[in-house]
Order: sequence, then structure tokens, then C-alpha cells
Amino acid sequence: SAVISQKPSRDICQRGTSLTIQCQVDSQVTMMFWYRQQPGQSLTLIATANQGSEATYESGFVIDKFPISRPNLTFSTLTVSNMSPEDSSIYLCSANGQGVTDTQYFGPGTRLTVL
Amino acid sequence: DQQVKQNSPSLSVQEGRISILNCDYTNSMFDYFLWYKKYPAEGPTFLISISSIKDKNEDGRFTVFLNKSAKHLSLHIVPSQPGDSAVYFCAASAKKLVFGQGTRLTINP
Repeated sequence: SAVISQKPSRDICQRGTSLTIQCQVDSQVTMMFWYRQQPGQSLTLIATANQGSEATYESGFVIDKFPISRPNLTFSTLTVSNMSPEDSSIYLCSANGQGVTDTQYFGPGTRLTVL
Repeated sequence: DQQVKQNSPSLSVQEGRISILNCDYTNSMFDYFLWYKKYPAEGPTFLISISSIKDKNEDGRFTVFLNKSAKHLSLHIVPSQPGDSAVYFCAASAKKLVFGQGTRLTINP
């Protein structure tokens, strides 16, 4: 399995500002993903972070709002841009384990509150 | 369109008894299924998975059953322990994961 850490663990931000969330994996992984869990809801995939190329976004999510970087096989960032209270959620990073491409392991999440 | 559904938002079970969590799906292209456990303020923890070519997978106290014809899977936990109290998510994969809404399991002493 992959061990994943995220920073920050939580933050309270003002409307209109941006926050960058970092995700670090303890080993090289092929696939990294970003999810959102809104209050009382399930996990929704935002995008797949591709190493060396642009992220692949799911329907309803756009690069201008959620720019993603993946400079190498162990690290990715998600930025939540021009935030509004509707962006208040838990943001989760995940990665596939070594050699098991369909099982994803998750970081502890970043709890974001936008005032 | 909710492709993965967990129709029970909550379940309460007595310690030592069996907990059965259910999940239904609609997309026949799903070929891999997983269960995750989530505690408050933590990320989901992988529990157990099953490939679509199997109908049962067991790991200690956890067993997952897959009924492809009914598009239904279930997670059995036996015996249930107080530490099993958490929210359980089922997920299905066809290249990417789709999650159910979760079931909050409470184990009563």
C-alpha cells in the first residue's frame, strides 16, 4: 500500500482567495487523484493528476477553478481558486498502490472552510 | 445518475454479531469493487476488494460477496467490534472509482 500525507490538514479561508493543497506519497506511483467530499455527501472525483502532462478533469470541474500540478511520481498539488462558501469541503488525495492499479489509497484529507 | 448506491444511511449492530452492509450498482462495465472505512477527520481506509470474476473474497473478519446478475455486493463483518464503528463506503471501478453515499455503522456494546 501507499502512505499518503497532505498539507494543510485544515484551513479557514476568506471568500475570493486561493488555497493550494499538497499531497506527498511515500513511493513512486503511476496514478494520483483528487477528490472532494462535501458535507454529508460521498466522494466525488475532481481530476486525475498526470505526471508530466495536464490533469484530466471530470465533468463539472475545470482547470481554472482547480489547477493541478504533478511534477514527479510522488507529489501533486491542488489549488482551489477564487473560493466561495460552496467550496467548503474535505479535499482528498489518493494514489494507486504499487502493482495493484485498481486499489486507491487515500490521504487524511484537507478540511476547507470558506467564510 | 447514481451509479453506486448504498440505500441504508445507517446501521446499528450489537457487538459480537454480524454486520452486513449492502451496495447496488447499475453500470455493468464495473469490473472491480472495493470497500473503504472512514473515521471522522481521517481519509478513507481500504478494507477489502473483489474482482468481477469472483463472487467472494475473505480477509479475516471481513468478507465481500458479489452477485453480478443482481448487480449487488455486500460486506460482512463478523464478529463486529466497537472499533468497527465508522462510515463504510463501497466503490466500483471501470478505470476510475465511483463511490456510494456511505453507511454509518454503529456497534453497540
